[in-house]
Amino acid sequence: NAGVMQNPRHLVRRRGQEARLRCSPMKGHSHVYWYRQLPEEGLKFMVYLQKENIIDESGMPKERFSAEFPKEGPSILRIQQVVRGDSAAYFCASSLPDRGRETQYFGPGTRLLVL
Amino acid sequence: SQQGEEDPQALSIQEGENATMNCSYKTSINNLQWYRQNSGRGLVHLILIRSNEREKHSGRLRVTLDTSKKSSSLLITASRAADTASYFCATAPGGTYKYIFGTGTRLKVLA
Repeated sequence: NAGVMQNPRHLVRRRGQEARLRCSPMKGHSHVYWYRQLPEEGLKFMVYLQKENIIDESGMPKERFSAEFPKEGPSILRIQQVVRGDSAAYFCASSLPDRGRETQYFGPGTRLLVL
Repeated sequence: SQQGEEDPQALSIQEGENATMNCSYKTSINNLQWYRQNSGRGLVHLILIRSNEREKHSGRLRVTLDTSKKSSSLLITASRAADTASYFCATAPGGTYKYIFGTGTRLKVLA
């Protein structure tokens, strides 16, 4: 039973390029969450998605950032025109619905470096 | 202080000793969770304690929760070098799914 999978594990982009981060939730999980972790800090909530729906994107910057979780395939966090401040570790978590949302299972993260 | 703030920020102990780290939070919660993160890796869920529980055990881990003081502690007994990691508490205010993590306690266990 594979856990949450994220790819790529490391991503290097130059300023102005686009970054696409992928997350495959655990089998049977229909809820996905994205968090960002800056160096020496805790994780910060960005967005919560269910299949084909964004439930809460209150933690995601209004510009340049978008997320989706299509009916088929992984969840995608997309950062357009990256800037150096976007350099961070991006973690995806998944959960079961309802009470199952209490426990989120995290992937290994994607470490984005913007040059 | 932030919701889910841990202290100390860093802790260095000898193998075999016990390690205690604390977490404080601000708002009402339904549960509090502790996670471990090894350097450069993802988070591993350790234990969940509900607001109506005062203490919970899992192997060498003991977690307490004091809702009147809005604080929790994680005790790791008989520590091992493999316990070296950062430990985070996470809370979801009002029972939401938006978990808030503190900055963590960096534990180093010396062999």
